[in-house]
Amino acid sequence: AQSVTQLDSQVPVFEEAPVELRCNYSSSVSVYLFWYVQYPNQGLQLLLKYLSGSTLVESINGFEAEFNKSQTSFHLRKPSVHISDTAEYFCAVSQWGAQKLVFGQGTRLTINP
Amino acid sequence: GAVVSQHPSRVICKSGTSVKIECRSLDFQATTMFWYRQFPKKSLMLMATSNEGSKATYEQGVEKDKFLINHASLTLSTLTVTSAHPEDSSFYICSARSAQGDYGYTFGSGTRLTVV
Repeated sequence: AQSVTQLDSQVPVFEEAPVELRCNYSSSVSVYLFWYVQYPNQGLQLLLKYLSGSTLVESINGFEAEFNKSQTSFHLRKPSVHISDTAEYFCAVSQWGAQKLVFGQGTRLTINP
Repeated sequence: GAVVSQHPSRVICKSGTSVKIECRSLDFQATTMFWYRQFPKKSLMLMATSNEGSKATYEQGVEKDKFLINHASLTLSTLTVTSAHPEDSSFYICSARSAQGDYGYTFGSGTRLTVV
């Protein structure tokens, strides 16, 4: 079975500062990896995903994540955050050939002016 | 892009009554749908996986007689919380996955259920 660990439950940063949200996973087989963002009282929106190919994936709003197989990590980064990035971020993993998506515990990103 | 509509967004019901939540894929055929429950400030807990035309597969610890899932068509899945109690109050989110296109899961906007 696969599992996901998000090491930080909360990350406060100042506006325009860089941020990294950490995600580690464990799985006995190859996986697909995802980052989702959730705003209050809303569903989840896909931020970016790694399926295969280049290990660095980017989103349209400046986030990027790098798949590191040796460290079983998929950390999310943004070089300069905005107030609007305040939200809950979830890392998720799905094993090749499986249907289930397993989520990490979530990281609340708070941007301070 | 793929859109999943979830309805209602909020519902308040009396203890002992049943509540139905709908999840529709608007522009694609969802061969598989998932139902999650999210407690305050917590992650999403998968409740069950449903494939169109077959019985849902429930996760361990989820009462299938209490949380009835129906996936009768390729665009609609429903979750019925039967004989609801205050402890069933939660945020329920559905997700749909298409058999085609890139490997993606699309989420509904969630339903806030409050049982009084």
